Amino acid sequence: DAGVIQSPRHEVTEMGQEVTLRCKPISGHNSLFWYRQTMMRGLELLIYFNNNVPIDDSGMPEDRFSAKMPNASFSTLKIQPSEPRDSAVYFCASRTGTGDEKLFFGSGTQLSVL
Amino acid sequence: KNEVEQSPQNLTAQEGEFITINCSYSVGISALHWLQQHPGGGIVSLFMLSSGKKKHGRLIATINIQEKHSSLHITASHPRDSAVYICAVGRGAQKLVFGQGTRLTINP
Repeated sequence: DAGVIQSPRHEVTEMGQEVTLRCKPISGHNSLFWYRQTMMRGLELLIYFNNNVPIDDSGMPEDRFSAKMPNASFSTLKIQPSEPRDSAVYFCASRTGTGDEKLFFGSGTQLSVL
Repeated sequence: KNEVEQSPQNLTAQEGEFITINCSYSVGISALHWLQQHPGGGIVSLFMLSSGKKKHGRLIATINIQEKHSSLHITASHPRDSAVYICAVGRGAQKLVFGQGTRLTINP
């Protein structure tokens, strides 16, 4: 299995631009998570999906952030408009089941908003 | 006070030394995870445990539910063990709360 696949690996954009991050979970995993990592705050959960349905988006910082999972093999995290404070590494992770199973992380997207 | 506290924040040791990283939490949990983040940034899940002890190669993780404490041990440490080790606790449903991480450097 190729693992969790994220794209792009790096994204540099200007303030005000729309940014779309993409994630392909491991086949057969039915839970998907988006995390953000910064030096100041460490890893934070933004949103997670079970069976393609958003369950908890309380970690999404504000309305500029949105996430979708149109099918079991694809999810997007969109920031519109982007701001410099959105600069961070964004990780996608997936796992089987809906309990406390092990998480599998993608390689992350390093986002820089200038 | 953070819900998940790790210690030490930074640890430097010589190759071969026995390493212990601690994690204390202040809330009830369903499970505790140990993650390893490589210098390149990738994150790997090392252990998920809710009681007792687990071992994988030179890595051992223990948890004491009553004391709300977990430890990650590395025996015969090696420079390739250099990474950031992150403790995360699961609190119901699927939400994880993360510690700030322990940066481990093993010198040859």
